[in-house]
Formats: sequence, C-alpha cells, structure tokens
Amino acid sequence: KAGVTQTPRYLIKTRGQQVTLSCSPISGHRSVSWYQQTPGQGLQFLFEYFSETQRNKGNFPGRFSGRQFSNSRSEMNVSTLELGDSALYLCASSVQDGELFFGSGTQLSVL
Amino acid sequence: KQEVTQIPAALSVPEGENLVLNCSFTDSAIYNLQWFRQDPGKGLTSLLLIQSSQREQTSGRLNASLDKSSGRSTLYIAASQPGDSATYLCAVRKAGKSTFGDGTTLTVKP
Repeated sequence: KAGVTQTPRYLIKTRGQQVTLSCSPISGHRSVSWYQQTPGQGLQFLFEYFSETQRNKGNFPGRFSGRQFSNSRSEMNVSTLELGDSALYLCASSVQDGELFFGSGTQLSVL
Repeated sequence: KQEVTQIPAALSVPEGENLVLNCSFTDSAIYNLQWFRQDPGKGLTSLLLIQSSQREQTSGRLNASLDKSSGRSTLYIAASQPGDSATYLCAVRKAGKSTFGDGTTLTVKP
C-alpha cells in the first residue's frame, strides 16, 4: 500500500512569488491535514480537509490556502511569499480522526 | 487552547538503557494521542496511537501509556539502540485538529 506522497521534495522561490504544494493521501483516506515545521516554532497546524471540505484551520494568514479534490488529493497554496515562510511543509492523511500518516514533506526555501 | 509539553527537550543515553519520554497536555478532552519519531529533514513516522478510552499500547520495544485525567502520556523505550536516535514527538487530537509538542531529541551512544 503506497504511503503519503508529497511533491515536490524541494522548492526554492523568491519573495513575492507564490507556490503550490501537492499531497496524495493513502488510498481510502479522506482526511488530509497540513503542517508547517520550523526550528523556532515547531510543528504548526495549517488546516484539515475531509471529503473536499475544510474542517479546521490554524492561525495562519489568508496567504495560506488549500483545497481537496474528489479523489482526496490535496494542494496547499502560499501567495506573496515571505522569508519567514521558509519551512518544511508536511502533509498527513488518515481515516476520519484516525491515526495520522505523514509524507516526507516539501522543503521550501524563500530567498 | 491546547498546549503540549515534552520533557526533556534532549536526552543522551548509552546503548542498552531503558528510558522514558514524557508528554503533558492541558486539555484532557482529547480524541486520541499519537507518538511519532522524526529523523532530520524527514517526515514523521507513526509509532503508537492510543485512543482516549485506552490506557496503553505496545509495539515491540515501545510502550506508551495515557492518563487523560492528569493530562500525561509516557513513551517507554526498552533496551535502547543507536538506531533509536531521533526526535520523538507526541500529538493530541481533538475535533479534527492535532497539536504537537516540540519533541525530545534522543541520542543513543554505542
């Protein structure tokens, strides 16, 4: 059974640009959640989608958005990138409120 | 607001020792608690999941306990090995949202 797949693995952008990250969950998992991990702030919850609906949102500015498609794949978008957005972005999938399984993450560097 | 604390922040032990990692949380109305390990620059690997109605879970050399009333969980690692060196994180889940501790970085010396 394939695990959670995140693409791309690494990304380098400049300030002001926008970026889209992709997450393919484990087959059968309808819940996808996103997290930002930085050395200073640890793992911070961004948002969670279940059956194409955003169920929860963390305390991040509106520049961070996401969506989920009918096949449960999810994308996260960050617009007007800032230096402080440099982080490891992690996606996790689960059955509803079940065990979380994480992908390898996308390492985003903003220059 | 849920807050999760992990103590100690770092731990260094010789190979073969048994050790305990601690996780505490402020809101006991959780759905489940999960322990993970993370290697540098990688994603999180699930170790154990404890549902709110359970007291403990075991997998191989790992044993995790949960005391909801006191807001505490412990992860016990028996006979530690150098390959156990990693950062260990706990997360509590409620209403579809998971809150993570900052982790304990474990180093097991040969």
